[in-house]
This record gives sequence, structure tokens and C-alpha cells, in this order.
Amino acid sequence: SQKIEQNSEALNIQEGKTATLTCNYTNYSPAYLQWYRQDPGRGPVFLLLIRENEKEKRKERLKVTFDTTLKQSLFHITASQPADSATYLCAPQTGANNLFFGTGTRLTVIP
Amino acid sequence: DAGITQSPRHKVTETGTPVTLRCHQTENHRYMYWYRQDPGHGLRLIHYSYGVKDTDKGEVSDGYSVSRSKTEDFLLTLESATSSQTSVYFCAISESGGGLANYGYTFGSGTRLTVV
Repeated sequence: SQKIEQNSEALNIQEGKTATLTCNYTNYSPAYLQWYRQDPGRGPVFLLLIRENEKEKRKERLKVTFDTTLKQSLFHITASQPADSATYLCAPQTGANNLFFGTGTRLTVIP
Repeated sequence: DAGITQSPRHKVTETGTPVTLRCHQTENHRYMYWYRQDPGHGLRLIHYSYGVKDTDKGEVSDGYSVSRSKTEDFLLTLESATSSQTSVYFCAISESGGGLANYGYTFGSGTRLTVV
């Protein structure tokens, strides 16, 4: 069956360190993979999209990698700040309108 | 969230009653989506629309119907609410269906629905 595993439900990290979140997927062949941030009581907010032919993508302090052989994406936040504390959702996309979501990793950045 | 609003934000309803949730956008995006979010599950697609009067089912569409009579409005109806439909419902919009540009979906703030 299809599965998206974000292998840490919760991750605590010291301010200033790099946070690394993992997304593994099974029985999907995504052409794209998206990452979202969700704060309590709010809707997800789009952060980054990476295509299957891209190995890495960066946006400010964020970096995403996508390995279609390992069926894995890594999401990095460098120089983490308390304001980065949120739940981060991985979302493989197999085609237009076919966006599937993991259950998320709750990141807490400790001052 | 800018350009997309959901109403109501909270609703409590009784089992067996019909319920309609509204999503309104001001971005003139072609694609609109309804997701539900439950503990232990990722966001799951209920229905989506790819234009006025054009809709299709998602992975958890049973017990739900949708309508889109105008570009800006996408309605989700629970025909006869059940306790299993207690959830947080999110509407999302997309210009391209995602992937064709560098843009993902824009989500509303959600509707928390409780069926008692």
C-alpha cells in the first residue's frame, strides 16, 4: 500500500543548529515533492517544491534534497530559530491534483 | 490566509443533518481542493475542482459532495453528517494544479467541524 513516513513525530533542536527532517515514501512515483509548514490552528503554508530531476533546492535557510532511488526527501533548516518551531509536512505529488501528505514532524527549536 | 477564506471557522452539528462548508477565493485560480485532517493521518483529499462545474473525487469522497458554480466559490456538503466526519477541513487553491511552476497550494485557515 502507499505510505508516506516522516520518521520523527517530534524533533527538538538547539537554536542555531541545523534541523534535518526525513520523508520516506512507498509505492509512489512522485514527479514532484513539496514541503509545507503548519502552525497550530492554521492551514499549511507552502515552502518549497522540488522536481524528480532536481537533486537539491535551496531557499534562504531551507534546503531540500530528493532521491528517487532511495524514495526519500530530506528537509534542512540551517541556523534554526525558535520561530522555526512548527509542524513540517512532506507531500509527494504524482501528477496534477494528486498531492499526498505525510503526518508531519513537529519541530521545536529550543532557545 | 490571503486570498482564500473558509466559513464557518467552527461548527457543531448533529448526526444526520446536512452541513455545507464554504471556500471563497479572490485569486482567480482554476483549481480548488477540499482536504480533511485527522490525528494520525496526513491531509486527505476529499474532492477537487478544475473549473466551474468541473469536479472530481479524491481518496475519501464517500459521504461528501461538492459544487462550484463560480470560479471563486467551492462548496463542500456533508449530505448526512456522521461522527466519523468530525475533523478539520481545509480548502486549498492552486493556479496550475501544482508542479508546473514552483508554486504549491495555498490553504485556508480551516473549519473545525464536530458532529455530535
